[in-house]
Amino acid sequence: NAGVTQTPKFRILKIGQSMTLQCTQDMNHNYMYWYRQDPGMGLKLIYYSVGAGITDKGEVPNGYNVSRSTTEDFPLRLELAAPSQTSVYFCASSYRVANEKLFFGSGTQLSVL
Amino acid sequence: AQKITQTQPGMFVQEKEAVTLDCTYDTSDQSYGLFWYKQPSSGEMIFLIYQGSYDEQNATEGRYSLNFQKARKSANLVISASQLGDSAMYFCAMRVRMDSNYQLIWGAGTKLIIKP
Repeated sequence: NAGVTQTPKFRILKIGQSMTLQCTQDMNHNYMYWYRQDPGMGLKLIYYSVGAGITDKGEVPNGYNVSRSTTEDFPLRLELAAPSQTSVYFCASSYRVANEKLFFGSGTQLSVL
Repeated sequence: AQKITQTQPGMFVQEKEAVTLDCTYDTSDQSYGLFWYKQPSSGEMIFLIYQGSYDEQNATEGRYSLNFQKARKSANLVISASQLGDSAMYFCAMRVRMDSNYQLIWGAGTKLIIKP
């Protein structure tokens, strides 16, 4: 059972570089989310999607973009990386009601130097 | 304001003892949900337990129970008979309605260390 798969697990970027964090789920979940977790903090929502073709901003969307062309995939794009984007990123999904039990990917540790 | 507060940054507990992790919340919504997640050192987030605001019984899932005191706005996690594998970060989260959708508000977490 794959569940939610995130890649890569680790990445180091230079300031100004761009990258895409990949997220795919095989549970046919409607809702998908991107969170970031800063040291000693809880999760903060970056973007979410309630279905293919529909995305919306969360609490901290600046510097990020998303797309949802299929039910399975929800990539997160970082444009012009900044040190403030150094964090651990989690992708998550849920099925019936937004924010019922979430299934999480294993996380991506990103450092921007 | 919608807020989750976890006042215990860290806790040390002897193996086999019961543990209570505190969580208080603030919301003006009548309908909300409360979650606990575990994050071991490996990093993944694992769902533990859920309590709806209209649920009259405290939620239980195996060794986990949620002590829900609505009037006090608290949703403490109780782990019975702690095990070494319970050592992890524990996060409390609240589901509230924002705009046209639901969102989760997360606490800062409590680091639990179980001593042998």
